[in-house]
Amino acid sequence: RKEVEQDPGPFNVPEGATVAFNCTYSNSASQSFFWYRQDCRKEPKLLMSVYSSGNEDGRFTAQLNRASQYISLLIRDSKLSDSATYLCVVKPGGGATNKLIFGTGTLLAVQP
Amino acid sequence: SQTIHQWPATLVQPVGSPLSLECTVEGTSNPNLYWYRQAAGRGLQLLFYSVGIGQISSEVPQNLSASRPQDRQFILSSKKLLLSDSGFYLCAWSVFPGSGANVLTFGAGSRLTVL
Repeated sequence: RKEVEQDPGPFNVPEGATVAFNCTYSNSASQSFFWYRQDCRKEPKLLMSVYSSGNEDGRFTAQLNRASQYISLLIRDSKLSDSATYLCVVKPGGGATNKLIFGTGTLLAVQP
Repeated sequence: SQTIHQWPATLVQPVGSPLSLECTVEGTSNPNLYWYRQAAGRGLQLLFYSVGIGQISSEVPQNLSASRPQDRQFILSSKKLLLSDSGFYLCAWSVFPGSGANVLTFGAGSRLTVL
């Protein structure tokens, strides 16, 4: 089983739609969780951290379910500029480094 | 503010040739530094990380090596490239996790094609 698993997509949605991405992780001791965004042929950039109580940043909502080892990202009112690959990222445990484990990403294509 | 630079941005190398990718970070001291590789259709794979000058940890056995000759410089090397070394190489930095900021910031990447 992969450490971090995501549906690769692509998710093709019209502008204004709501879309949700899911991610599961295998290490129950994982401590920190993130969503990164990666545009085509560019570096990944942090979109948002995921907190235990769930958190929202504008049109983006992230949720964590530790019991099910499941993370989600909800995007409301999709914009063309949201088209990108969304990477689910997990920090497996403690230690002196940020050895993050990346999922393979979910591709989102927002259509006009 | 902190910035991270990687070069070269793109390179095409023949099998068996050497490789050197460089990464420098500005605006911070004693960062943790990382090399990741992203192969086509695969997730980012951590190759090396460093918590200080001369301190390198390798995550996977491979044809590559890394060095940290200065606090804010991280170099990825190979003596003889293989076809399987092709990919998108990303350098990243973070502060020590104890500061509360567990964020990785990536450079713009180096796209390597081995022919």
